[in-house]
Amino acid sequence: AQSVTQPDIHITVSEGASLELRCNYSYGATPYLFWYVQSPGQGLQLLLKYFSGDTLVQGIKGFEAEFKRSQSSFNLRKPSVHWSDAAEYFCVTYSGGYQKVTFGIGTKLQVIP
Amino acid sequence: DGGITQSPKYLFRKEGQNVTLSCEQNLNHDAMYWYRQDPGQGLRLIYYSQIVNDFQKGDIAEGYSVSREKKESFPLTVTSAQKNPTAFYLCASTRSGGAHEQYFGPGTRLTVT
Repeated sequence: AQSVTQPDIHITVSEGASLELRCNYSYGATPYLFWYVQSPGQGLQLLLKYFSGDTLVQGIKGFEAEFKRSQSSFNLRKPSVHWSDAAEYFCVTYSGGYQKVTFGIGTKLQVIP
Repeated sequence: DGGITQSPKYLFRKEGQNVTLSCEQNLNHDAMYWYRQDPGQGLRLIYYSQIVNDFQKGDIAEGYSVSREKKESFPLTVTSAQKNPTAFYLCASTRSGGAHEQYFGPGTRLTVT
């Protein structure tokens, strides 16, 4: 069965610092990979997605993610964090079929001045 | 603007009462989903529907029921059989086919006392 691991439940960074949120997946083939962001009490918004091709994908709000097949990882990065980036981030995989969407447990990002 | 609406934003019920959460989309998407979100557990799939008049159980369907009489609407009923109904409920939709990018509603927070 496929799985998604977000090893960091909570991360705190200073405003202006760089950010990397980790995501590892377990699946025989390359799944489709997504990062979503959720502000408190809100729905989820898609940040970026990877299907195939260039392993470095750009998303909205200045985020990017890199797919590394050898490490089964899809880490999310941002060079300079803004206070408005404080939210919860979910790594998600899709491997075919309507029930094959798997969410990571989420990483809650706190941004300090 | 196209999107998904969920109502109400907050819902309070007494234990033993059934309650129905609304989900409407005007994105012309075929597939719709209901997720439950609890702190530290990510999102768990309750039910999904690929087409009108058809729906399938997800991972945690016990104590819930749904209907899909119209393409735009996918209401979720939380029955008195659901042992721990207090949670944040998210509705989502996707285009048919494709790689399963999900569009989420703003969520409904249900509190049962």
